[in-house]
Amino acid sequence: GQQLNQSPQSMFIQEGEDVSMNCTSSSIFNTWLWYKQDPGEGPVLLIALYKAGELTSNGRLTAQFGITRKDSFLNISASIPSDVGIYFCAGQDSNYQLIWGAGTKLIIKP
Amino acid sequence: GAGVSQTPSNKVTEKGKYVELRCDPISGHTALYWYRQSLGQGPEFLIYFQGTGAADDSGLPNDRFFAVRPEGSVSTLKIQRTERGDSAVYLCASSPDSGNTEAFFGQGTRLTVV
Repeated sequence: GQQLNQSPQSMFIQEGEDVSMNCTSSSIFNTWLWYKQDPGEGPVLLIALYKAGELTSNGRLTAQFGITRKDSFLNISASIPSDVGIYFCAGQDSNYQLIWGAGTKLIIKP
Repeated sequence: GAGVSQTPSNKVTEKGKYVELRCDPISGHTALYWYRQSLGQGPEFLIYFQGTGAADDSGLPNDRFFAVRPEGSVSTLKIQRTERGDSAVYLCASSPDSGNTEAFFGQGTRLTVV
Protein backbone atom coordinates (compact mmCIF):
# COMPACT_ATOMS: atom_id res chain seq x y z
CA GLY A 1 0.00 0.00 0.00
CA GLN A 2 0.93 3.64 -0.21
CA GLN A 3 3.20 4.96 2.53
CA LEU A 4 4.56 8.33 3.46
CA ASN A 5 7.88 8.72 5.23
CA GLN A 6 7.98 11.93 7.25
CA SER A 7 11.14 13.21 8.88
CA PRO A 8 12.38 14.16 11.30
CA GLN A 9 10.18 12.48 13.89
CA SER A 10 10.82 15.32 16.35
CA MET A 11 12.78 18.56 16.51
CA PHE A 12 14.11 20.52 19.47
CA ILE A 13 15.00 24.03 18.37
CA GLN A 14 15.62 27.48 19.80
CA GLU A 15 13.05 30.22 19.35
CA GLY A 16 13.91 32.24 16.25
CA GLU A 17 15.49 29.34 14.37
CA ASP A 18 14.29 28.12 11.01
CA VAL A 19 12.69 24.66 10.74
CA SER A 20 12.62 22.22 7.87
CA MET A 21 10.74 18.94 7.57
CA ASN A 22 9.93 16.70 4.63
CA CYS A 23 7.90 13.80 3.34
CA THR A 24 8.70 11.22 0.72
CA SER A 25 6.47 8.64 -0.87
CA SER A 26 6.78 5.50 -2.94
CA SER A 27 3.74 6.65 -4.92
CA ILE A 28 2.82 9.71 -6.92
CA PHE A 29 0.26 12.08 -5.43
CA ASN A 30 -1.93 14.68 -7.13
CA THR A 31 -1.98 16.97 -4.11
CA TRP A 32 0.26 17.47 -1.08
CA LEU A 33 -1.08 18.97 2.11
CA TRP A 34 0.55 20.13 5.33
CA TYR A 35 -1.40 20.19 8.61
CA LYS A 36 -0.67 21.23 12.19
CA GLN A 37 -2.25 19.48 15.15
CA ASP A 38 -2.30 20.87 18.68
CA PRO A 39 -2.95 18.60 21.69
CA GLY A 40 -6.60 17.64 21.97
CA GLU A 41 -7.49 19.21 18.65
CA GLY A 42 -8.03 18.01 15.11
CA PRO A 43 -5.50 18.79 12.37
CA VAL A 44 -5.69 22.25 10.79
CA LEU A 45 -4.71 22.76 7.16
CA LEU A 46 -1.67 25.04 6.72
CA ILE A 47 -0.79 24.77 3.03
CA ALA A 48 -2.17 22.88 0.03
CA LEU A 49 -0.03 22.18 -3.05
CA TYR A 50 -1.69 21.18 -6.31
CA LYS A 51 1.02 21.17 -8.97
CA ALA A 52 4.44 19.55 -9.27
CA GLY A 53 7.14 22.11 -8.60
CA GLU A 54 4.72 24.50 -6.90
CA LEU A 55 6.19 26.63 -4.12
CA THR A 56 3.63 28.23 -1.80
CA SER A 57 3.95 30.47 1.23
CA ASN A 58 1.60 31.19 4.10
CA GLY A 59 3.17 33.80 6.34
CA ARG A 60 6.36 32.30 7.81
CA LEU A 61 5.56 28.91 6.28
CA THR A 62 6.77 27.80 2.87
CA ALA A 63 6.06 24.44 1.25
CA GLN A 64 7.01 22.87 -2.06
CA PHE A 65 5.52 20.06 -4.13
CA GLY A 66 8.43 18.03 -5.50
CA ILE A 67 8.79 17.77 -9.28
CA THR A 68 8.66 13.97 -9.11
CA ARG A 69 5.31 14.30 -7.24
CA LYS A 70 6.69 11.90 -4.64
CA ASP A 71 7.94 14.38 -2.07
CA SER A 72 7.27 17.68 -0.34
CA PHE A 73 8.95 19.87 2.24
CA LEU A 74 7.73 22.45 4.75
CA ASN A 75 9.89 25.25 6.08
CA ILE A 76 9.06 27.51 9.02
CA SER A 77 11.14 30.64 9.35
CA ALA A 78 11.95 32.45 12.61
CA SER A 79 10.05 30.03 14.84
CA ILE A 80 7.96 31.35 17.72
CA PRO A 81 6.50 29.53 20.76
CA SER A 82 3.05 29.06 19.18
CA ASP A 83 4.64 27.00 16.39
CA VAL A 84 4.88 24.13 18.88
CA GLY A 85 2.79 21.15 17.83
CA ILE A 86 2.78 18.19 15.51
CA TYR A 87 3.05 18.78 11.78
CA PHE A 88 1.66 16.23 9.35
CA CYS A 89 2.09 15.86 5.63
CA ALA A 90 -0.65 14.16 3.63
CA GLY A 91 -0.84 13.13 0.02
CA GLN A 92 -4.11 12.89 -1.85
CA ASP A 93 -4.42 10.08 -4.35
CA SER A 94 -6.65 9.78 -7.41
CA ASN A 95 -9.48 8.42 -5.21
CA TYR A 96 -9.36 11.59 -3.08
CA GLN A 97 -8.10 9.57 -0.13
CA LEU A 98 -5.52 11.21 2.11
CA ILE A 99 -2.45 9.19 3.05
CA TRP A 100 -0.76 10.69 6.12
CA GLY A 101 2.77 10.80 7.43
CA ALA A 102 3.48 9.92 11.07
CA GLY A 103 4.11 13.55 12.00
CA THR A 104 6.97 15.78 13.08
CA LYS A 105 6.78 16.98 16.68
CA LEU A 106 8.18 20.50 17.04
CA ILE A 107 9.42 21.57 20.46
CA ILE A 108 10.80 25.06 20.97
CA LYS A 109 13.22 25.87 23.74
CA PRO A 110 12.64 29.40 25.08
CA GLY B 1 -22.50 25.34 13.95
CA ALA B 2 -19.34 27.19 13.05
CA GLY B 3 -17.13 24.11 12.93
CA VAL B 4 -17.20 20.32 12.96
CA SER B 5 -18.53 19.09 16.29
CA GLN B 6 -17.86 15.63 17.68
CA THR B 7 -19.49 14.05 20.69
CA PRO B 8 -18.60 12.76 23.14
CA SER B 9 -15.11 14.21 23.49
CA ASN B 10 -14.08 11.23 25.59
CA LYS B 11 -15.59 7.77 25.89
CA VAL B 12 -14.45 4.96 28.16
CA THR B 13 -16.09 1.61 27.56
CA GLU B 14 -15.61 -1.97 28.59
CA LYS B 15 -14.32 -4.56 26.17
CA GLY B 16 -17.19 -6.16 24.30
CA LYS B 17 -19.55 -3.20 24.58
CA TYR B 18 -21.14 -1.25 21.72
CA VAL B 19 -20.34 2.44 21.18
CA GLU B 20 -21.61 5.22 18.96
CA LEU B 21 -19.60 8.30 18.07
CA ARG B 22 -21.35 11.31 16.59
CA CYS B 23 -20.18 13.92 14.09
CA ASP B 24 -21.96 17.16 13.21
CA PRO B 25 -20.30 18.54 10.07
CA ILE B 26 -20.20 22.14 8.93
CA SER B 27 -23.61 23.11 7.57
CA GLY B 28 -23.81 22.61 3.81
CA HIS B 29 -20.75 20.37 3.53
CA THR B 30 -21.66 17.34 1.43
CA ALA B 31 -18.49 15.33 2.03
CA LEU B 32 -17.80 13.77 5.44
CA TYR B 33 -14.81 11.67 6.47
CA TRP B 34 -14.01 9.49 9.46
CA TYR B 35 -10.40 8.85 10.49
CA ARG B 36 -8.78 6.96 13.35
CA GLN B 37 -5.60 8.27 14.95
CA SER B 38 -3.46 6.17 17.23
CA LEU B 39 -0.89 7.72 19.55
CA GLY B 40 2.15 8.96 17.66
CA GLN B 41 0.63 8.33 14.26
CA GLY B 42 -1.09 10.28 11.55
CA PRO B 43 -4.83 9.85 10.93
CA GLU B 44 -5.87 6.64 9.18
CA PHE B 45 -8.79 6.79 6.74
CA LEU B 46 -11.88 4.80 7.69
CA ILE B 47 -14.84 5.88 5.54
CA TYR B 48 -16.03 8.78 3.41
CA PHE B 49 -19.59 9.91 2.69
CA GLN B 50 -20.79 11.98 -0.22
CA GLY B 51 -24.26 13.03 0.83
CA THR B 52 -26.10 10.12 2.43
CA GLY B 53 -24.13 7.36 0.78
CA ALA B 54 -20.82 5.82 1.78
CA ALA B 55 -18.68 6.54 -1.28
CA ASP B 56 -15.64 4.69 0.06
CA ASP B 57 -15.62 2.42 3.12
CA SER B 58 -12.39 0.65 2.27
CA GLY B 59 -10.69 1.86 5.44
CA LEU B 60 -13.06 0.20 7.89
CA PRO B 61 -10.90 -2.43 9.60
CA ASN B 62 -13.57 -5.14 9.94
CA ASP B 63 -17.31 -5.71 10.12
CA ARG B 64 -17.49 -4.52 13.73
CA PHE B 65 -17.22 -0.98 12.37
CA PHE B 66 -20.14 0.69 10.62
CA ALA B 67 -21.10 4.29 9.88
CA VAL B 68 -24.27 6.00 8.73
CA ARG B 69 -25.31 9.42 7.54
CA PRO B 70 -29.05 9.02 6.96
CA GLU B 71 -29.96 12.63 6.15
CA GLY B 72 -26.69 13.74 4.59
CA SER B 73 -25.67 15.80 7.60
CA VAL B 74 -24.94 14.19 10.99
CA SER B 75 -22.97 10.95 10.89
CA THR B 76 -22.61 8.22 13.48
CA LEU B 77 -19.71 5.79 13.66
CA LYS B 78 -20.76 2.56 15.33
CA ILE B 79 -18.39 -0.01 16.82
CA GLN B 80 -19.70 -3.36 17.98
CA ARG B 81 -18.01 -5.75 20.43
CA THR B 82 -15.25 -3.25 21.16
CA GLU B 83 -11.70 -4.51 21.64
CA ARG B 84 -8.79 -2.88 23.47
CA GLY B 85 -7.11 -2.34 20.10
CA ASP B 86 -9.97 -0.03 19.11
CA SER B 87 -8.69 2.55 21.58
CA ALA B 88 -7.74 5.67 19.60
CA VAL B 89 -8.90 9.17 18.74
CA TYR B 90 -11.64 9.07 16.12
CA LEU B 91 -11.61 12.19 13.95
CA CYS B 92 -14.36 13.46 11.71
CA ALA B 93 -13.85 15.99 8.91
CA SER B 94 -16.13 17.65 6.39
CA SER B 95 -15.58 19.55 3.15
CA PRO B 96 -17.86 21.34 0.68
CA ASP B 97 -17.52 18.50 -1.84
CA SER B 98 -15.56 15.34 -2.45
CA GLY B 99 -12.80 16.89 -4.51
CA ASN B 100 -12.14 19.68 -2.07
CA THR B 101 -8.92 19.13 -0.20
CA GLU B 102 -9.69 21.76 2.41
CA ALA B 103 -11.46 19.48 4.85
CA PHE B 104 -12.12 20.84 8.33
CA PHE B 105 -11.58 18.52 11.27
CA GLY B 106 -13.43 18.19 14.54
CA GLN B 107 -11.63 17.85 17.86
CA GLY B 108 -12.08 14.10 17.85
CA THR B 109 -13.50 11.55 20.25
CA ARG B 110 -10.94 9.78 22.42
CA LEU B 111 -12.15 6.19 22.80
CA THR B 112 -10.63 4.06 25.52
CA VAL B 113 -11.59 0.39 25.74
CA VAL B 114 -10.73 -1.16 29.10
